[in-house]
Amino acid sequence: EAQVTQNPRYLITVTGKKLTVTCSQNMNHEYMSWYRQDPGLGLRQIYYSMNVEVTDKGDVPEGYKVSRKEKRNFPLILESPSPNQTSLYFCASYSTGLGGNEQFFGPGTRLTVL
Amino acid sequence: AQSVTQLGSHVSVSEGALVLLRCNYSSSVPPYLFWYVQYPNQGLQLLLKYTTGATLVKGINGFEAEFKKSETSFHLTKPSAHMSDAAEYFCAVSGPGTYKYIFGTGTRLKVLA
Repeated sequence: EAQVTQNPRYLITVTGKKLTVTCSQNMNHEYMSWYRQDPGLGLRQIYYSMNVEVTDKGDVPEGYKVSRKEKRNFPLILESPSPNQTSLYFCASYSTGLGGNEQFFGPGTRLTVL
Repeated sequence: AQSVTQLGSHVSVSEGALVLLRCNYSSSVPPYLFWYVQYPNQGLQLLLKYTTGATLVKGINGFEAEFKKSETSFHLTKPSAHMSDAAEYFCAVSGPGTYKYIFGTGTRLKVLA
């Protein structure tokens, strides 16, 4: 089954404790992206990746890091989380060409930073 | 630069009534336009998309949208609302040769019995 998986689905942590949210896709998509969703603000792009070892900042990259060492994986790293990073996070992947940039989303990770 | 505006953060309709969710966009390149739906506690899934060709596009669950370049709009419609349509709907714009994806702030649809 074609899918994007994220782990963990729920996470409660404390300020300053480094964490990683994993994302994996099995569709061989070259593009992957991370979003955060906040009430009234919709989805905002954090980082995206066009291929292995190629990443770029989205609209709200501050406080986040990413890496793309393998095509299927795109982890999101919060080196020193703060309460304003409490949010719902989505990973997505897509392929250009005939698909016309249709994105496939993971189920989301709800993060609470105390 | 690209942007998306969704008019109305909350829309309520009666079951069986017309659903109309509004989306206006701006784009410096020919746009790819999308509507995604998010059911409670789930990720987003694609309802429909416009890339090129026919300007009236049909999607899943009886939804359709029309690309109107002169009005820079891509409104989502469904002739008859069903209780199962209650969800949050997001309009998004991308384009050929760009990796950026811009989402609107979303419209929460409530269907009244």
